[in-house]
Amino acid sequence: DGGITQSPKYLFRKEGQNVTLSCEQNLNHDAMYWYRQDPGQGLRLIYYSQIVNDFQKGDIAEGYSVSREKKESFPLTVTSAQKNPTAFYLCASSIGTGRNQPQHFGDGTRLSIL
Amino acid sequence: DQQVKQNSPSLSVQEGRISILNCDYTNSMFDYFLWYKKYPAEGPTFLISISSIKDKNEDGRFTVFLNKSAKHLSLHIVPSQPGDSAVYFCAAYNFNKFYFGSGTKLNVKP
Repeated sequence: DGGITQSPKYLFRKEGQNVTLSCEQNLNHDAMYWYRQDPGQGLRLIYYSQIVNDFQKGDIAEGYSVSREKKESFPLTVTSAQKNPTAFYLCASSIGTGRNQPQHFGDGTRLSIL
Repeated sequence: DQQVKQNSPSLSVQEGRISILNCDYTNSMFDYFLWYKKYPAEGPTFLISISSIKDKNEDGRFTVFLNKSAKHLSLHIVPSQPGDSAVYFCAAYNFNKFYFGSGTKLNVKP
């Protein structure tokens, strides 16, 4: 089945450590996205990528980094510079970034600080 | 500051009745709107959308209404079914990005 796979489902990080969240899609989509969800707030865009080897900052990119070396993969690194990383992270993909191209989401990764 | 707001965190409706979920936005540049549905432990899935040039779009039991002058959209589910129990997010589009509301948890009671 085609879809988006995020791993792991739960992740724990010690203070001062970088951690990488995985996102893989086999939908042959060009565009991929990372969102963060906090209680009582909507999904906020961290980074997005329209094509391989290109990505753009979203609204809350500080303390995060991404790469897009392959069409299928868009890993997100939460760096030690992100002071409040505890949140639910969602990865999504779409055919393109057009308005009538809905995003397909993974099941998310919940990150917690030890 | 959130540009898309869902002011009702939860809604409870009896099976067979109408569910109305509301969403307000502040940015008049938004030109496309979507609703997503999310079950526990799963990612959101696309439900229905509407362009800003329309005021209504219908798909089976689901209808989305857009009132541009009020910057308000709503999702109507008729009749509501227990399987509709989920969190519903509205989203608005502007220049390559979607902006999401915080979600409304719908509970449809049998």
